[in-house]
Amino acid sequence: SYELTQPPSVSVSPGQTARITCSGDALPKKYAYWYQQKSGQAPVLVIYEDSKRPSGIPERFSGSSSGTMATLTISGAQAEDEGDYYCYSTDSSGHPVFGGGTKLTVL
Amino acid sequence: EVQLVESGGGLVQPGGSLRLSCAASGFTFSTYWMSWVRQAPGKGLEWVANINEDGSYKRYLDSVGGRFTISRDNAKNSLYLQMNSLRPEDTAVYYCVRDPSVGSQPYWGQGTLVTVSS
Repeated sequence: SYELTQPPSVSVSPGQTARITCSGDALPKKYAYWYQQKSGQAPVLVIYEDSKRPSGIPERFSGSSSGTMATLTISGAQAEDEGDYYCYSTDSSGHPVFGGGTKLTVL
Repeated sequence: EVQLVESGGGLVQPGGSLRLSCAASGFTFSTYWMSWVRQAPGKGLEWVANINEDGSYKRYLDSVGGRFTISRDNAKNSLYLQMNSLRPEDTAVYYCVRDPSVGSQPYWGQGTLVTVSS
């Protein structure tokens, strides 16, 4: 079955740039979506269609995709950005899948 | 404003059944694919099932196929998930999701907790 692969954890100091990757064979032809989830809360969409930012999401969040890898970049990460991040996409037939999640620590 | 409100969660014994509902508002429900996504305690997000705009096409996670049935009533702007033969590993928060479409972002409800335990 199709898989999206994310690093289990990423750690940065406040003000640094955090990059979280998501790799999948179908990403050259399928959009990637990124969710932020804080403990006990529902996921929040931070990037859709590879690089679009929903209303209300800070400009420090950006997304890109090249080849089989999509990347979520948080420029000038803040303590409030800590949490779990999940990528989402579909396989070539449209079957949805989530990545395993990445725990972002800002300290 | 898009709103998705889940209901129907609760405690059920292994082998039991439960029906989840999702009431949608703020958009033209009949023009979007819809999904159920779940999250077991301490685990990641897992897509469970989705259904196309008129209910004629459905997809399922392999581990729930044959036990869960997704359906919708476009006249009532509602999405459903009938869950039979429930197992402890089905314990999770279940979210109703409006699937993304080209140029349109996905939307999520707040979730409903399903606990399968004796």
